[in-house]
Amino acid sequence: AQSVTQLGSHVSVSEGALVLLRCNYSSSVPPYLFWYVQYPNQGLQLLLKYTSAATLVKGINGFEAEFKKSETSFHLTKPSAHMSDAAEYFCAVSDQSNYQLIWGAGTKLIIKP
Amino acid sequence: DVKVTQSSRYLVKRTGEKVFLECVQDMDHENMFWYRQDPGLGLRLIYFSYDVKMKEKGDIPEGYSVSREKKERFSLILESASTNQTSMYLCASSIPGQNNSPLHFGNGTRLTVT
Repeated sequence: AQSVTQLGSHVSVSEGALVLLRCNYSSSVPPYLFWYVQYPNQGLQLLLKYTSAATLVKGINGFEAEFKKSETSFHLTKPSAHMSDAAEYFCAVSDQSNYQLIWGAGTKLIIKP
Repeated sequence: DVKVTQSSRYLVKRTGEKVFLECVQDMDHENMFWYRQDPGLGLRLIYFSYDVKMKEKGDIPEGYSVSREKKERFSLILESASTNQTSMYLCASSIPGQNNSPLHFGNGTRLTVT
């Protein structure tokens, strides 16, 4: 069965510092991988997705994620955090046999001024 | 622009009441989903629908039912609300048949059952 683990329910970084949000997955087949972001009092929106075209995926708002098959990871990074990045981030995986997503528990990103 | 609209942002209901949560999308998507979101648990799928009058149970369907009479509308029904159904409910839609098709979410309905 597929699963997704996000390390750290809360991550705190200073404004301007590197953002690293970790996501590890388990899947018996090549997965599709997603990062979604949820700003306060809003629904989720797609940040980026991996669909086997390229291992480094660029998303909106300067975020990117790298698919590492050997590590079964899909960590989200941003070189320099902004206050507006404060939100909750969700990693999700689906396999190619069905299109239901399996979700991580989410990581709240806190930006310190 | 894509839009998924949930009829209520906040709802307060009493235990035992029948509760309807409405969701409408304007993208002509066949797929629609109802999730509940609880802290530390991520999103859990309650029900989904691939077409009008079609419904499939998700991971936590107990205590819920759904209705999809029109393509654009997907309703979640709590037959007899209980306090453990206090949660954030998120509706989403997507294009069918594509595993990399993103979900489009509404802004959520925060339901409190007292």
